[in-house]
Amino acid sequence: NAGVTQTPKFQVLKTGQSMTLQCAQDMNHEYMSWYRQDPGMGLRLIHYSVGAGITDQGEVPNGYNVSRSTTEDFPLRLLSAAPSQTSVYFCASNPTAGGSYNEQFFGPGTRLTVL
Amino acid sequence: AQSVTQPDIHITVSEGASLELRCNYSYGATPYLFWYVQSPGQGLQLLLKYFSGDTLVQGIKGFEAEFKRSQSSFNLRKPSVHWSDAAEYFCAVGARGNTGKLIFGQGTTLQVKP
Repeated sequence: NAGVTQTPKFQVLKTGQSMTLQCAQDMNHEYMSWYRQDPGMGLRLIHYSVGAGITDQGEVPNGYNVSRSTTEDFPLRLLSAAPSQTSVYFCASNPTAGGSYNEQFFGPGTRLTVL
Repeated sequence: AQSVTQPDIHITVSEGASLELRCNYSYGATPYLFWYVQSPGQGLQLLLKYFSGDTLVQGIKGFEAEFKRSQSSFNLRKPSVHWSDAAEYFCAVGARGNTGKLIFGQGTTLQVKP
């Protein structure tokens, strides 16, 4: 199993550009999440999904969209990039059973810079 | 509201010394608690977790953590630190409801002196 994969690893955008961060998992996990990591702020939840076709907002959803058409994929879209979205983005997944008390498996992250 | 606090932003210890990283949580019921480690440039790896039962839990890499309900704490410990333990450590609590969400603390950066 590849686990949780994220592409790209690095990305530089100009203000106003849009892009999609890709996330895929091959563990048949129902739950998937997107976090952003900023210095001194830990990881903050952007959006999450409890299954295909079901998504919900986390703590910091503004400026981001998600969709979940398949169990495997959970892309994160930046609609109009802003410098405040410069961050490291992590995708994570966890199994269906037990949800909040199961281990989350993390991808390697995408480092995004918005100029 | 649920929250996690890691009071120490940065800790420096000498190699071979003992380590304790503090974590306090706010939660209205029995929490699900986790410690993750992030090496530079890497994703997060689970060190250990607590759901119920024995309040002292053992994890990977020689780490352990103790759940103390009376103090709302879940401190991470290691008897003898190795240089390879230098990393950032995150405490997290599982959110209420079967959503799979985690709430993270701010993180503690561990530096190990030779």
